Amino acid sequence: EVQLVESGGGLVHPGGSLRLSCATSGFTFNLYWMHWVRQAPGKGLEWVSRINNEGTAATYAKSVEGRFTISRDNARNTVELQMNGLRGEDTGIYYCARESVYRSTDHWGQGIPVIVSS
Amino acid sequence: DIQMTQSPSSLSASFGDRVNIICRASQTITTRHVNWFHQKAGEAPKLLVYYTSTLHKGVPSRFSGSGSGTEFTLTISALQPEDLGVFYCQQSFTPPWTFGQGTNVEVK
Repeated sequence: EVQLVESGGGLVHPGGSLRLSCATSGFTFNLYWMHWVRQAPGKGLEWVSRINNEGTAATYAKSVEGRFTISRDNARNTVELQMNGLRGEDTGIYYCARESVYRSTDHWGQGIPVIVSS
Repeated sequence: DIQMTQSPSSLSASFGDRVNIICRASQTITTRHVNWFHQKAGEAPKLLVYYTSTLHKGVPSRFSGSGSGTEFTLTISALQPEDLGVFYCQQSFTPPWTFGQGTNVEVK
């Protein structure tokens, strides 16, 4: 069974940093591209970032580019999101998701809350 | 960035009703790059449809997707209680993989 479990969220002051992690199991991790998607309270889904299966290429939403960094550890089957310079508008639930061979995200974690507040 | 605009933003329907949700893209995208998701309150989104019209495994046949070019449609042939929640379209044609703003489906 495919499983994705996020961790590392919490409360942080504006300007601070957090590192999210997504532990995966149930599939051959190094074959799949991975994504982070977020959802502000009461709002819709916002795609954040994507990394290729080798960890050599990444893309970002304009709203986080230069502040967030996605990475992966194929030996540990994890994908991370390093978030620096956090702002109030970064508050929300952060989901990791697996990209299928069909250019869609077919499995999602349960999400982890991030709250940026003083 | 490609903008995805859904209509309506919300709708009320009775169980058994046919429901259509439309998603318009700001530029032409291929049918291989349109996905639909369903999110119930407090849960993670779930993939319903990929490649515009292919149902993800386990998705009931009352769901169907169609469209081409810049206009795509998700149809529920007969609304069921477990279908309540928010539906999102998404384009995976080019980064960023933008979502529509969502359509909230409620019971009338």
